[in-house]
Formats: sequence, C-alpha cells, structure tokens
Amino acid sequence: GENVEQHPSTLSVQEGDSAVIKCTYSDSASNYFPWYKQELGKRPQLIIDIRSNVGEKKDQRIAVTLNKTAKHFSLHITETQPEDSAVYFCAASMPPRTSYGKLTFGQGTILTVHP
Amino acid sequence: GAVVSQHPSRVICKSGTSVKIECRSLDFQATTMFWYRQFPKQSLMLMATSNEGSKATYEQGVEKDKFLINHASLTLSTLTVTSAHPEDSSFYICSARYLAGSTDTQYFGPGTRLTVL
Repeated sequence: GENVEQHPSTLSVQEGDSAVIKCTYSDSASNYFPWYKQELGKRPQLIIDIRSNVGEKKDQRIAVTLNKTAKHFSLHITETQPEDSAVYFCAASMPPRTSYGKLTFGQGTILTVHP
Repeated sequence: GAVVSQHPSRVICKSGTSVKIECRSLDFQATTMFWYRQFPKQSLMLMATSNEGSKATYEQGVEKDKFLINHASLTLSTLTVTSAHPEDSSFYICSARYLAGSTDTQYFGPGTRLTVL
C-alpha cells in the first residue's frame, strides 16, 4: 500500500519567516495530495490540495508544489503568523475508483511560530 | 458548506460497555465515510472505509467485531466500540467524502474523545 513520509517532525520559525514542510510518497499511482492543519483537540482542516496534473498551486500565503517524478510534494507558508502554529499533515490518495478516495497520512509536523 | 458533525464529543465509560459514535454530513450526501483513530501527538490512523449500503472495509489489524461500523444512509455512519477496554481510549475522528463537480476531497468531523475506565 501507499506510504507517506513527512519531514520535519517539528519546525520552529520566527513570525514573518517562511516555513516549508516536505512529504514523499511511495505509490506512483497516487494522484491527489491534500494538506490539513490540526489545532490541539480540533478536527483536521483542509488548507490546500493538489492533483497530479498540476505542479504548483497557491492560495494567498500558502502554496503546494508537486514533483511526480521524484514522488514528493511540499507545503510552503510565507509570512508566517502565530496563528499558523498547529500540526500539519500531508496525505496522499490513489484514484477513487480503486480506493474510494482513501487517504494515507504523513506523520505530521508541529509548526511553532514565535512572535 | 461541507460540514461534518460527530456525536458525542466526549464520552467516558466503564470497561466492558459499548459506545456508539455518530458521524453526519450535514449539508451534503456522502456515499463514503472514513473512521480514524488518533493517539496523542500522532498521526491519523485509518481504521475503516464505510460505504453506504455495504459492509465496511477494515484496515489490517483492526478488529471488525470490536469496531462495528454501519452506514445506513447517505448522511450517517456510526462506529460502535464493543466491550470497550482502557486500551481503546483514544480520539476517534470520522471524515466524509465530498464529491461535487471536479472536487473530490474529505472533510473531517470534530472528533470524539473516548475514555474507558
């Protein structure tokens, strides 16, 4: 099955700096890559996603890049703010016809933004 | 839109009892829902995939007789933890697959904190 590795496990930055979280996946059939933000005790919130037919996607301060050949994708947060502090999870999914959209999650990254 | 609710948010029960957790998609129909378990400071571990009107598909290592899943309607899936024991204490989260046009993603419920005494 799919395996997703996420790095780093913890990331500490100063407010205003950029943060980058990287994930690799094992199954080249995976074609959907969402990123979720989870605050303590809360539900994971979808913040951005990308499909395999696109190399990059941006939404204000958040961007995701995908390298299908290398089987890795990254989350970029610019101009970080204290409220960006949370746990971030990457995930990968194979085509729904084979998996019903089942997601395999990375291990998570604890992002701390210091004021 | 795309709101998923989960009930109860917290439950404390005695060892040996059963607990039912409900997951509802409030403003969309979800033919597929997923159940996850999350330990403190860890990632989400998929337990099972629940498809409306059919038997759930369990991940390897998850006991189907212990974690009963029912998906009787397009907006409701339930997870019953049978004969709960302290090691079943965890944060259980459901998600619902949202399909609309070219959008195919998952939205999560707020989770249920289960504590078994």
